[in-house]
Amino acid sequence: DVKVTQSSRYLVKRTGEKVFLECVQDMDHENMFWYRQDPGLGLRLIYFSYDVKMKEKGDIPEGYSVSREKKERFSLILESASTNQTSMYLCASSRGTGSYEQYFGPGTRLTVT
Amino acid sequence: AQSVTQLDSHVSVSEGTPVLLRCNYSSSYSPSLFWYVQHPNKGLQLLLKYTSAATLVKGINGFEAEFKKSETSFHLTKPSAHMSDAAEYFCVVSPIYNFNKFYFGSGTKLNVKP
Repeated sequence: DVKVTQSSRYLVKRTGEKVFLECVQDMDHENMFWYRQDPGLGLRLIYFSYDVKMKEKGDIPEGYSVSREKKERFSLILESASTNQTSMYLCASSRGTGSYEQYFGPGTRLTVT
Repeated sequence: AQSVTQLDSHVSVSEGTPVLLRCNYSSSYSPSLFWYVQHPNKGLQLLLKYTSAATLVKGINGFEAEFKKSETSFHLTKPSAHMSDAAEYFCVVSPIYNFNKFYFGSGTKLNVKP
């Protein structure tokens, strides 16, 4: 069974704090993704990584950065958290090529106060 | 350009009656298509996928979907709804020329009445 785990299910941070969200997958997948999910807006891609140290911006990268130092781990960083970054954050992974589905983690509900 | 339209934001059915969740897509090429389910405060779970093999795809929990190229549709069905099916469902398209790109529909919330 593919497992995608996220470091926290719920997180509360203050405005201006630096926030790290960690994601780990155990299936040797090349691709990893970070999304945020907001009511009425659906899932929006923040960043995507197709290999170690490789990344691409998604649809809404502003205010976020990512790190992928090891194949199994993909971190999302909020450099200076703001209240409009309060959201559900979902990590996903998939195989490198071919018509492969994504596997999702359980999500991290982040509240910035 | 790729896009996915889920035609209903909310669907309500009675337990034991059929479920139909509609999805239309636009794609320049034959895409891969997926349905995911999300229960409250959980991640997305894959229900089924179409990747250019059989057009009728069977998934988990009794769900199935039919790929109709002429109608550019990939509707999700289940013969008999169960209370545990109440959740949000997402239709997702991935273009065949760019397997790293996934386009999500806006979701359909399924309510199952006793």
